[in-house]
Amino acid sequence: AQSVTQLDSQVPVFEEAPVELRCNYSSSVSVYLFWYVQYPNQGLQLLLKYLSGSTLVESINGFEAEFNKSQTSFHLRKPSVHISDTAEYFCAVSDRTGSRLTFGEGTQLTVNP
Amino acid sequence: KAGVTQTPRYLIKTRGQQVTLSCSPISGHRSVSWYQQTPGQGLQFLFEYFSETQRNKGNFPGRFSGRQFSNSRSEMNVSTLELGDSALYLCASSWGGVSYNEQFFGPGTRLTVL
Repeated sequence: AQSVTQLDSQVPVFEEAPVELRCNYSSSVSVYLFWYVQYPNQGLQLLLKYLSGSTLVESINGFEAEFNKSQTSFHLRKPSVHISDTAEYFCAVSDRTGSRLTFGEGTQLTVNP
Repeated sequence: KAGVTQTPRYLIKTRGQQVTLSCSPISGHRSVSWYQQTPGQGLQFLFEYFSETQRNKGNFPGRFSGRQFSNSRSEMNVSTLELGDSALYLCASSWGGVSYNEQFFGPGTRLTVL
């Protein structure tokens, strides 16, 4: 069985400040790890993923996440956030097919001017 | 290339009724997965269909069912609706191979049960 815990339900920050959204997972098998973003009244968009290889993965809009196997974590970071980053962020794990995702509870990131 | 489409986008039903939601995957995708999103339970996996066969199933009661057609379009049905079935229902499509395939999500159908 797999489970995901997002340690913060809400994270308010000011524009241009750094942010970290925390995610821990539990699994008895090797997993793939993901961060998805959901804007109001929209579906989920894949932000970044870890499948194998380098433990640091980056997205095209400045987010990065680091897979830490010993701490079973996959925290999401951005050095400087924008108002447009305001959204709900979900950490997820899957088996090797990626067809069945197990999500965390979500973290609402609110960027204030 | 068109994305995943879901119809209808909004639906209001009353307790005891049944409902059918539709999902059209990205062209060429053969796998469709369904998820339920509620404020209390978060995002939960319902089931996955691949080539018209249910390949994975989550922990939902039998009132929740689905099917997939030969063109990969999928429907999910909820019978005897309960207030707790009010949720955003998301579907996601992928190529569906045995190795990792990225899932692409639709905008969802928001179901309200009165």
